[in-house]
Amino acid sequence: SQQGEEDPQALSIQEGENATMNCSYKTSINNLQWYRQNSGRGLVHLILIRSNEREKHSGRLRVTLDTSKKSSSLLITASRAADTASYFCATVPTGTASKLTFGTGTRLQVTL
Amino acid sequence: DTEVTQTPKHLVMGMTNKKSLKCEQHMGHRAMYWYKQKAKKPPELMFVYSYEKLSINESVPSRFSPECPNSSLLNLHLHALQPEDSALYLCASSRSLQGAGANVLTFGAGSRLTVL
Repeated sequence: SQQGEEDPQALSIQEGENATMNCSYKTSINNLQWYRQNSGRGLVHLILIRSNEREKHSGRLRVTLDTSKKSSSLLITASRAADTASYFCATVPTGTASKLTFGTGTRLQVTL
Repeated sequence: DTEVTQTPKHLVMGMTNKKSLKCEQHMGHRAMYWYKQKAKKPPELMFVYSYEKLSINESVPSRFSPECPNSSLLNLHLHALQPEDSALYLCASSRSLQGAGANVLTFGAGSRLTVL
């Protein structure tokens, strides 16, 4: 079963613009991760934010976490065509060992 | 070596065939995973191995049979599959199921399976 839902399902922007994706999840978590998947390929881990953190940065990525609202956002600044991919949030619900469960995903298209 | 290697990249099989998907990593990771992904859907967990022992089976039909011969290898044996089993099968690994690095997965590129 899916733990998270992402919004929007699809996003189309121009190169240089910022892209924001949102993730909502259902149960308490220890951490939340974001992964990227290029079309038909494997997933690549981008960033992990712990439940006691509110914001984290990595290069052009900024992730926020609001555990009271059970939501997270991923901001990609100054987007590039190479950022075109699907982005998934992923969580391990507390008490479920290693069942890393992915959200529904956002398909990002960055055009020149 | 920071890769997870999956073979074959593509597999077409009939419903009566027996085939296997293979996965290999040399990062010293002790947890390995199989995920199934249908088009435009998120990956769904199938199996988790920890220290070569099956830790999680997400109620996967017995026509999928996982095997972990050693800490670097993970196989998925396929038998009597149905057309609806056609999907991208993703292998992943992590340092362990506990502690630092737990649940941070390194994925392979996937094996695209078509069942006729």
